[in-house]
Amino acid sequence: QQQVKQSPQSLIVQKGGISIINCAYENTAFDYFPWYQQFPGKGPALLIAIRPDVSEKKEGRFTISFNKSAKQFSLHIMDSQPGDSATYFCAATSGGYQKVTFGTGTKLQVIP
Amino acid sequence: EAQVTQNPRYLITVTGKKLTVTCSQNMNHEYMSWYRQDPGLGLRQIYYSMNVEVTDKGDVPEGYKVSRKEKRNFPLILESPSPNQTSLYFCASSFGQGPNQPQHFGDGTRLSIL
Repeated sequence: QQQVKQSPQSLIVQKGGISIINCAYENTAFDYFPWYQQFPGKGPALLIAIRPDVSEKKEGRFTISFNKSAKQFSLHIMDSQPGDSATYFCAATSGGYQKVTFGTGTKLQVIP
Repeated sequence: EAQVTQNPRYLITVTGKKLTVTCSQNMNHEYMSWYRQDPGLGLRQIYYSMNVEVTDKGDVPEGYKVSRKEKRNFPLILESPSPNQTSLYFCASSFGQGPNQPQHFGDGTRLSIL
């Protein structure tokens, strides 16, 4: 049973467009919500993260929107670039941030 | 250079032959963790360790063992590998665990068990 549901599975966006990836969770014990970016042949790398008491966090072109009541959060990539083409994973932590549950991933392709 | 090193990077082996995947970090991190990545399932946490001699189960610990005898090393042991353990494995570490403590991942170990 996937505790963090991620959609879409794949996404194609034109250069300069906005990429949006959505995640939903059921476990109210989750206490931190990071997003990871993974390039082929590499391990994931932390992109941006948000605490559940914050509704939005922005870092450069990347923004997390968090809706605690709906138990949903999303990643927005503004002005998407071909270099953003990668697989993106949402995640949620619990147990004092020790246990990490990942979504199933979204493969993003930004076309010129 | 700060890094998490996994060995081997690739391994093809047979059912039942014990194997160990090593993980070493040079950042003096306290927290280390193992994940497996499978298509359509994302990454799933196998085991994690908060410090030397402190380990706990993640979501998919069955068929795996770990040990943390030294701070820098966190080997993953498959005592009797089976084909359903064919996967891409990642080790990660962080200074602590919590906000503003990003996990650093290795480049992965691809295991094929025939």
